[in-house]
Amino acid sequence: GQNIDQPTEMTATEGAIVQINCTYQTSGFNGLFWYQQHAGEAPTFLSYNVLDGLEEKGRFSSFLSRSKGYSYLLLKELQMKDSASYLCAVRDSGGGADGLTFGKGTHLIIQP
Amino acid sequence: DSGVTQTPKHLITATGQRVTLRCSPRSGDLSVYWYQQSLDQGLQFLIQYYNGEERAKGNILERFSAQQFPDLHSELNLSSLELGDSALYFCASSPRGPYSTDTQYFGPGTRLTVL
Repeated sequence: GQNIDQPTEMTATEGAIVQINCTYQTSGFNGLFWYQQHAGEAPTFLSYNVLDGLEEKGRFSSFLSRSKGYSYLLLKELQMKDSASYLCAVRDSGGGADGLTFGKGTHLIIQP
Repeated sequence: DSGVTQTPKHLITATGQRVTLRCSPRSGDLSVYWYQQSLDQGLQFLIQYYNGEERAKGNILERFSAQQFPDLHSELNLSSLELGDSALYFCASSPRGPYSTDTQYFGPGTRLTVL
C-alpha cells in the first residue's frame, strides 16, 4: 500500500515564494507527480519527478529525494490565480498498474 | 483544455438507480483511468484500461464497472446508487500503458449527485 502526507492548508502572500512538502511511503516507486486543482475543476499536470533532484518549469519547481520519501513543490512570484489545491501523487512500480495514489491535497490561499 | 472529454457534466439521480458516465481520451492515448473525488476521501483511483483491456483495479466497488471500446472511449457504470456515491468522477488518459512514465491528463469530470 501507499501513504502520502501533505499539509492540509497553507497561506502565502502575492509575490512571495511558498514550498509545499509531500512525504510518501510506498512499496514500489515509479514517479511522483504534482497537480494543481481549482475547486470543482480537473487536476492540471504541473511536474513529474522520477529521479532525485530538482525539476524547474518557469515559476514552478519540484524536488524529489527517493531515499527520504520526500518531495516538495516550490512556487515563486505567487499570483492570486495560484490559489488552488496542490495534489501530490505517486505511481507504484509493481503489478503493471499505474493508477496514481493521491495525497489529500494542500489548499493554498494567496493573500494580497 | 487537456483533450480528454467527459459527458455528462452534471448528473442528478435517485438512490437505487443506475447511471453511465462516458469518457473520450486524448487522440492517440491508449490508457484510460477512472478516479472518484469526494470531499472526505480525496482523489481515489478506481480502474485502468489499456487498449480495450482491464489493466488494474483500485478502490472500485462491486456495484461499479467499466469498459473500454474499440474506438478507445470508455464508460463507467454505477449501479444501485447510494447517497455516498455522490462525488466528482474524473477520467484521465495517457499515451501508453503500464510501466511507461507517461503523464496522465484529466478530463473536466462528471459531478454525480445522488438524492
